[in-house]
Amino acid sequence: SQTIHQWPATLVQPVGSPLSLECTVEGTSNPNLYWYRQAAGRGLQLLFYSVGIGQISSEVPQNLSASRPQDRQFILSSKKLLLSDSGFYLCAWSPGTFYEQYFGPGTRLTVT
Amino acid sequence: GQQLNQSPQSMFIQEGEDVSMNCTSSSIFNTWLWYKQDPGEGPVLLIALYKAGELTSNGRLTAQFGITRKDSFLNISASIPSDVGIYFCAGPGVNAGNMLTFGGGTRLMVKP
Repeated sequence: SQTIHQWPATLVQPVGSPLSLECTVEGTSNPNLYWYRQAAGRGLQLLFYSVGIGQISSEVPQNLSASRPQDRQFILSSKKLLLSDSGFYLCAWSPGTFYEQYFGPGTRLTVT
Repeated sequence: GQQLNQSPQSMFIQEGEDVSMNCTSSSIFNTWLWYKQDPGEGPVLLIALYKAGELTSNGRLTAQFGITRKDSFLNISASIPSDVGIYFCAGPGVNAGNMLTFGGGTRLMVKP
């Protein structure tokens, strides 16, 4: 069966520091991968999606970036965090031919 | 792009009551998905609907794909405290590729 991992689970970072969040998927190949952000009590905002290694599409212009160095690895990064980057970051995957997305456990990021 | 409106935004009910929530779209959808998010965790896929008029159950949960293809409904029968969470509808729209549009969510609170 397929499993999706995210780490770290919780992160507290000062403003201006770099960020690296990692997501990996097991038990499938060639998945579509997604990064979402969720503000407290709010809905899901799609940040990036990827249909293959090195292929990244951005949905929202901001100081975040994403990379996909391996088929089942998706990384969210920032060179300098802003206070507004605080939130709950979710990674998701979907089979290439279906719409259903499956979410990881999330990373709670607090920028201080 | 597509917009999804979920209602109600929140519900506070007594344990044992039935729950109904709905989702409407500004355009036609060919798939409807319903997710539940427990506090501090990633959303979990509950039910997927693929055909107009389709009615699908998952335990005490029943979801329907509206015949106009612009709405969907989720019912929970005999609610229990562990039903607490945020319920999201989602759909890809006709021309949205493999990405999903999410509703704003319905927050369900159950009083024992």
